[in-house]
Amino acid sequence: KAGVTQTPRYLIKTRGQQVTLSCSPISGHRSVSWYQQTPGQGLQFLFEYFSETQRNKGNFPGRFSGRQFSNSRSEMNVSTLELGDSALYLCASSPQGVSNTEAFFGQGTRLTVV
Amino acid sequence: GENVEQHPSTLSVQEGDSAVIKCTYSDSASNYFPWYKQELGKRPQLIIDIRSNVGEKKDQRIAVTLNKTAKHFSLHITETQPEDSAVYFCAASGGSSNTGKLIFGQGTTLQVKP
Repeated sequence: KAGVTQTPRYLIKTRGQQVTLSCSPISGHRSVSWYQQTPGQGLQFLFEYFSETQRNKGNFPGRFSGRQFSNSRSEMNVSTLELGDSALYLCASSPQGVSNTEAFFGQGTRLTVV
Repeated sequence: GENVEQHPSTLSVQEGDSAVIKCTYSDSASNYFPWYKQELGKRPQLIIDIRSNVGEKKDQRIAVTLNKTAKHFSLHITETQPEDSAVYFCAASGGSSNTGKLIFGQGTTLQVKP
């Protein structure tokens, strides 16, 4: 069974631009959650989607948004990029949600904002 | 809001010694507590998890204990090996407002010296 796939692996963007990241979950998994990983803040929850609906959202500004498609693939978008958005963005998939089952992480997208 | 505190932030042990990492969570409704290992440049991978109806769980050299009353849980690694060197994250999930999200601790960098 293929694992969680994130594309692209690396991105370099300029301040003010926007970016879209993609996450393909493990086949059959309906929940996709997104996390931002930085050296100073660790792993912080962005949002979670289940069956195309956002079920939960972290404490990030409205510039961060996401969506999920009918095939469970998910995208997250960051608009008006700031230098502080430079981070590793990880998505995780699970069958029903991470509340009581293992979350499988993708390899992440390394975003650098210059 | 929900919070998970993890200690220590760095831990250095000799090969063969034991290592203990401790976490405290704030949401008493949390009921799922996974531990992830992240090697340099790689994705976080689940190494062990415990649910709130269990006090202890063991898998070979790794064990996790949970004290619901004190809202503490700990990771124990025995007979450490150089390949155990990595960053370890604890997390909590499943509380009343935690559906679909993991709240992570800040991480512990474990170094096992040969």
